[in-house]
Amino acid sequence: GESVGLHLPTLSVQEGDNSIINCAYSNSASDYFIWYKQESGKGPQFIIDIRSNMDKRQGQRVTVLLNKTVKHLSLQIAATQPGDSAVYFCAEKTDNFNKFYFGSGTKLNVKP
Amino acid sequence: NAGVMQNPRHLVRRRGQEARLRCSPMKGHSHVYWYRQLPEEGLKFMVYLQKENIIDESGMPKERFSAEFPKEGPSILRIQQVVRGDSAAYFCASSPPAGWSTEAFFGQGTRLTVV
Repeated sequence: GESVGLHLPTLSVQEGDNSIINCAYSNSASDYFIWYKQESGKGPQFIIDIRSNMDKRQGQRVTVLLNKTVKHLSLQIAATQPGDSAVYFCAEKTDNFNKFYFGSGTKLNVKP
Repeated sequence: NAGVMQNPRHLVRRRGQEARLRCSPMKGHSHVYWYRQLPEEGLKFMVYLQKENIIDESGMPKERFSAEFPKEGPSILRIQQVVRGDSAAYFCASSPPAGWSTEAFFGQGTRLTVV
């Protein structure tokens, strides 16, 4: 759902480990989901997307899982690198209404 | 194809002045969104506009804030009589017309500092 101005939760992982970032969305009618990465001082950048007719989609080192039953989205990053340190947001929307709703975000801290 | 362009990147205003933030969407994009972000916080939706129309302004304060997306030219987020609490990063995003399952592309943001 909407970001509500809460301080970001932080996930700390060791370089080389896999990371899993979770997101709960609010609208059962949402049919398109995106993960964004935001580095310090920059705008959010697209990582990977998934439509509601899929439950898994893979990219380069990243996998998104969608569980519509519990309205849950996750982002898995394989072999996490220091360059992956950033804030990660999930976003949802419905095709019938083009507004994007953002989750509150998770800060990923990769320790060398 | 240039991305979403926001200017200025940094803006300093004294309390009581006006701030104007500009956003040029990507070519072919007719939808613009404005978000506000405080340090160490998430993106807070402010307003969603199409050309010459405000679709959803539910996240925008009722006073002092306004937004427009004219037929020609960039989208403008205007903050009148700024206060210290307006200091934040303001991000603009654009997307193609509704019904297209594609991401919203973000600009680099305008960092507003009110002194």
